[in-house]
Amino acid sequence: NAGVTQTPKFRILKIGQSMTLQCTQDMNHNYMYWYRQDPGMGLKLIYYSVGAGITDKGEVPNGYNVSRSTTEDFPLRLELAAPSQTSVYFCASSYISGGDTEAFFGQGTRLTVV
Amino acid sequence: GENVEQHPSTLSVQEGDSAVIKCTYSDSASNYFPWYKQELGKRPQLIIDIRSNVGEKKDQRIAVTLNKTAKHFSLHITETQPEDSAVYFCAAPRPSGSARQLTFGSGTQLTVLP
Repeated sequence: NAGVTQTPKFRILKIGQSMTLQCTQDMNHNYMYWYRQDPGMGLKLIYYSVGAGITDKGEVPNGYNVSRSTTEDFPLRLELAAPSQTSVYFCASSYISGGDTEAFFGQGTRLTVV
Repeated sequence: GENVEQHPSTLSVQEGDSAVIKCTYSDSASNYFPWYKQELGKRPQLIIDIRSNVGEKKDQRIAVTLNKTAKHFSLHITETQPEDSAVYFCAAPRPSGSARQLTFGSGTQLTVLP
């Protein structure tokens, strides 16, 4: 099993550009999440999904969109990149609710908006 | 919602000494408390977790204690080694939409000095 795989690992965007961060998992987990991690801060939940076709907002959803068309994939879309979105983004998955069991993280995407 | 406070933000210890990191939470309904370790440039990984029906859990050199009355839990690392150097995050669940999700503490940078 590859676990949770994110692409790309690094990206530089110009203000106003758009991009999609890809995330896929091969563990057949129902729950998937997107977090952002700013320097010296913890992980903030952006969006999550409890299964294919179902998504919900987390703590910091503004400026982002997600979709969950399959169990395996959970892409994160940035429509109009802003410097405040400079961060490290982690995708994660869990078999049941993340509030009850281990979450498995991807290797992260370091995004810089200039 | 859940508020998780983590202290200290940085901690330096001599190799072989013990390290203790403390977290407090606000939601008395929380019943699952994981600890994640994040090495430099890597993904967070679960190292130990505890549920509210026990007061302490050990796994080799790592232990977690939980005080539900005071709403705090702590990570204890004994006989520290250089490879324990990392950022450690505590977390607690909070209700979020259709499922409970984790709120993370802001992290503790642990440095083990040889």
